[in-house]
Amino acid sequence: DGGITQSPKYLFRKEGQNVTLSCEQNLNHDAMYWYRQDPGQGLRLIYYSQIVNDFQKGDIAEGYSVSREKKESFPLTVTSAQKNPTAFYLCASRQEVVSNQPQHFGDGTRLSIL
Amino acid sequence: AQKITQTQPGMFVQEKEAVTLDCTYDTSDPSYGLFWYKQPSSGEMIFLIYQGSYDQQNATEGRYSLNFQKARKSANLVISASQLGDSAMYFCAMREQYNFNKFYFGSGTKLNVKP
Repeated sequence: DGGITQSPKYLFRKEGQNVTLSCEQNLNHDAMYWYRQDPGQGLRLIYYSQIVNDFQKGDIAEGYSVSREKKESFPLTVTSAQKNPTAFYLCASRQEVVSNQPQHFGDGTRLSIL
Repeated sequence: AQKITQTQPGMFVQEKEAVTLDCTYDTSDPSYGLFWYKQPSSGEMIFLIYQGSYDQQNATEGRYSLNFQKARKSANLVISASQLGDSAMYFCAMREQYNFNKFYFGSGTKLNVKP
């Protein structure tokens, strides 16, 4: 079945450690996105990518980094510079960047600090 | 700045009844898109319905309809004949005019359907 796979489902980070969240899609979608969700809040955009080898910062990019070397993959690294990384992270993709196209989401990764 | 407001943190509805989830937005863009998503306890976001700012008719998708009042800047989701499986968080989101990659999400409404 086509979809978006995020792994791992749960992740723990130690102080000063970088961790990478995986996002893979087999929908042949061009655009991919990373969001952060905190309790009682909506989603906030971290980074997005419209095409391979290109990505743009969202509203809360500080302390995060991404790469887009393949169309199917858009990993997110939470660096040690992100002082409050505990959150639920959602990856999304979109078939094409037109007005009425919705985003398709993965099941999310829950990141906590040890 | 773009802003989405969902004023109902939680709601209850009796099974088989209709329920309206409120969403107001703030934008100066003449063109924009409004989306509703459902988030079950498992975490994934499920797209429900879309309304474009220039659409003449309110959007409908099965049991979901959108009560779009442009002058009041509101885009309320109506769920008819509620089912137990409708219990979830519901998020309203807006896509801005000049960057189709930028979506702004409200804080959500938790809907509980009672048997």
